Parts: sequence; structure tokens; C-alpha cells
Amino acid sequence: ETFLTQSPDTLSLSPGESATLSCRASQSVATQMAWYQQKLGQAPRLLIYETSNRATGIPARFSGGGSGTDFTLTISSLEPEDFAVYYCQQRFFWPWTFGLGTKVDIK
Amino acid sequence: EVQLVESGGGMVKPGGSLRLSCVASGFTFSDAWMSWVRQSPGRGLEMVGRIKRETEGGAADYATPVKGRFTISRDDSKNMLFLQLNSLRADDTAVYYCTTVPRRSFDHWGQGALVTVSS
Repeated sequence: ETFLTQSPDTLSLSPGESATLSCRASQSVATQMAWYQQKLGQAPRLLIYETSNRATGIPARFSGGGSGTDFTLTISSLEPEDFAVYYCQQRFFWPWTFGLGTKVDIK
Repeated sequence: EVQLVESGGGMVKPGGSLRLSCVASGFTFSDAWMSWVRQSPGRGLEMVGRIKRETEGGAADYATPVKGRFTISRDDSKNMLFLQLNSLRADDTAVYYCTTVPRRSFDHWGQGALVTVSS
């Protein structure tokens, strides 16, 4: 099984600041990395697929990068609705696996 | 608009069984691979399994923790996906989501069904 390690566990920031979230895979997953956002009481929502492609309707302030084992999600200027938990997911090896999440909360 | 609506969750004793259902709308269900994902405080987000289209044989793959105990099936005539959960254990307690298997930006989740395994 491919393990994904997300860091940091929590990121405390103010609206308008930028956020950089990291995800490291235990083996190379090429560019088959996705990112999800989850708010309390809701299902996860796809933000980024195949490392750097924004899903339909996702604002341009969300961007993804990386390859192999190291990936990042950047939120360029946090809006109030961006405070949530973010998960990475690899889709290269079955079973696809998720990281444990990074919580972005308001400082 | 794509909608996935799960039902059938509830509380069950260890060793018991439960069947979850998911009704899909807003897309061509028979063209889609489908999956179940679960989420719990102890295990986080975890793939349960996926099922291919009938035109590709309709076979299902499972994650190791549920293999041999859970079964995924589909009824394309009713746009429905099912998850049969047998030999349930306490660590199967989770919210179970019905999802489309991601295809680029096409990625949809239901609202989830809570399964609680407790004596």
C-alpha cells in the first residue's frame, strides 16, 4: 500500500495570506495525485487532479505541483471559505490511498 | 446535476450484516465505474472498493481490510450501486460514501451513510 504523509497537520493563517500544503508518497506515483477539500459535515470535493489540473469550477487561486513522491497544493490568497481540511490522494496504485489531511484554520 | 444518494446505514452488532444502497442521477450510470469510500476518525479516508462497467465485465476490486467480507454490486436498470457488508467489526464503523470513480474532473460523492458497529 502507498502511504501518503501530509504536512503540516495544521496551518493557522489569516485571510489574504497564502498557504502551501505538502504531500509525500512512500513510492513514486508519477503525476497521479489529486487534492480534495472537506468542510465539516460535507463530503470531500475535488480541487486538483493529475497533480496540477483544476477541477471544474475551482478558482485559480488553487494550484498544484510536483511529481514522483513530492507534491504541493498552494492557495495563493486565502478566502474565508477556504478554511477547511485538505487531503491528497494517489491514484497510481490500487488501492488508491489518502493522506491524513492538513487543517487550514483561521489565525 | 449529478446526484448520488445513499441509504441503508445504521447500527449493527459485531458479526452482523448491513446493505447500503446508492441511487444515481444526472449522468449515464451504466457508463461509469463506481466506488465506495469510507471515513472514520481512526482510519481517515479509505477506499473500500470499485466496480467496473458491465460492458467491461462488471468486476469489483476491494481494499485488503474488507476483502472477503464486503461485496459491491450494481443494477444499471435502476441506476443503483450496492455495498453488502458482512462479518462487521468495530473498526468498520465509518461514514460510507458512494462515489463515481474519478475520470479527470468527473468526480462526485454522495452525502454519506453512517454505519456504526457496536454491541
